[in-house]
Amino acid sequence: DSGVTQTPKHLITATGQRVTLRCSPRSGDLSVYWYQQSLDQGLQFLIHYYNGEERAKGNILERFSAQQFPDLHSELNLSSLELGDSALYFCASSVTPDTGELFFGEGSRLTVL
Amino acid sequence: GENVEQHPSTLSVQEGDSAVIKCTYSDSASNYFPWYKQELGKRPQLIIDIRSNVGEKKDQRIAVTLNKTAKHFSLHITETQPEDSAVYFCAASGGTYKYIFGTGTRLKVLA
Repeated sequence: DSGVTQTPKHLITATGQRVTLRCSPRSGDLSVYWYQQSLDQGLQFLIHYYNGEERAKGNILERFSAQQFPDLHSELNLSSLELGDSALYFCASSVTPDTGELFFGEGSRLTVL
Repeated sequence: GENVEQHPSTLSVQEGDSAVIKCTYSDSASNYFPWYKQELGKRPQLIIDIRSNVGEKKDQRIAVTLNKTAKHFSLHITETQPEDSAVYFCAASGGTYKYIFGTGTRLKVLA
């Protein structure tokens, strides 16, 4: 158990819909990263928050947004969903904002039909 | 932009042989180079890391080497075992608040 909690574990929805994925980091970790992993693909960096502020953006679509709340949990919002958005979405947390070990959650598997 | 290239994409070795996976990064500001192992259906987990002020680091059967001048770093696994079969990801971070992963290497250790 990494200490990072992601919900929901599985989500099935239709094209055009909107979903919210939630991540609770390890106790004491201020950094939260979001990654997208499509079938048999690598880990695509989406966005990084540190202590409530956005620190870096990767290849995140405009239809996607995220935020980190005062209690440090984070949410990734995916809207106007397309078939190609089907993937495993990982959240990871770390103590420091730029280096050090990332602790991954179990992921949220999104299926868009 | 930042990029991490990883080779090979798949690697099959006989049990007991060595495996080498190589990565190249583009961002000169990167100063932290971890390796993660992802078993089927599970989350990635750190297996070893190296910082830019070190050229080599070893932990039992695994080792990582870093060539900052060439922007290359490599993972070496010796005496491979079936439980080493997994997908391995290299990553580079430092300076930009991005933590960029390579495309992954699927390692199969044949018994």
